[in-house]
Amino acid sequence: GDKVKQSPSALSLQEGTNSALRCNFSIAATTVQWFLQNPRGSLINLFYLVPGTKENGRLKSAFDSKESYSTLHIRDAQLEDSGTYFCATSNNRIFFGDGTQLVVKP
Amino acid sequence: DPKIIQKPKYLVAVTGSEKILICEQYLGHNAMYWYRQSAKKPLEFMFSYSYQKLMDNQTASSRFQPQSSKKNHLDLQITALKPDDSATYFCASSQQGTDTEVFFGKGTRLTVV
Repeated sequence: GDKVKQSPSALSLQEGTNSALRCNFSIAATTVQWFLQNPRGSLINLFYLVPGTKENGRLKSAFDSKESYSTLHIRDAQLEDSGTYFCATSNNRIFFGDGTQLVVKP
Repeated sequence: DPKIIQKPKYLVAVTGSEKILICEQYLGHNAMYWYRQSAKKPLEFMFSYSYQKLMDNQTASSRFQPQSSKKNHLDLQITALKPDDSATYFCASSQQGTDTEVFFGKGTRLTVV
């Protein structure tokens, strides 16, 4: 979307490596959510953030509302991490980014 | 154990017909939403409801009508179906409006032939 810019649009990782995804917001963002859409199409909640950081296993996310961006770090990528990662923010309505398509290769 | 149930999972419809997509949530949430995702595209917001009242409508066509018979139901009626309506329709809910965490159902994949 034009209010939420995700980068990169696509990413290929070797199993076991690390990477980071980013969202930049052109609207005032108060909360951020990160989702993984798996190959079957289901949307899985990864993180819900107010400004700050959260960590869950090999995933870590940060949200800086002043600088209007959020990041999602993937550590030790696994094959099951493959899918499309979406970030979303709310400003009376939820705005989604266009997603990052991640492929993890053995 | 899915907390947001969408029915049916797959739906094939003939051009010009009418279908209803069902959504029920058992999370105790007060806000519900519909999103559409066409093939390989991002999620597109359609409607939001709060306490069974329409809060936001970003769907240009009146062929799409949400229906809320109960607080935890938000069905989507689509009339005069067109092939361009083919997409996966996701229902979602949150506790209180868009500033609270949103959860999605597994979607209904609609194909209009």
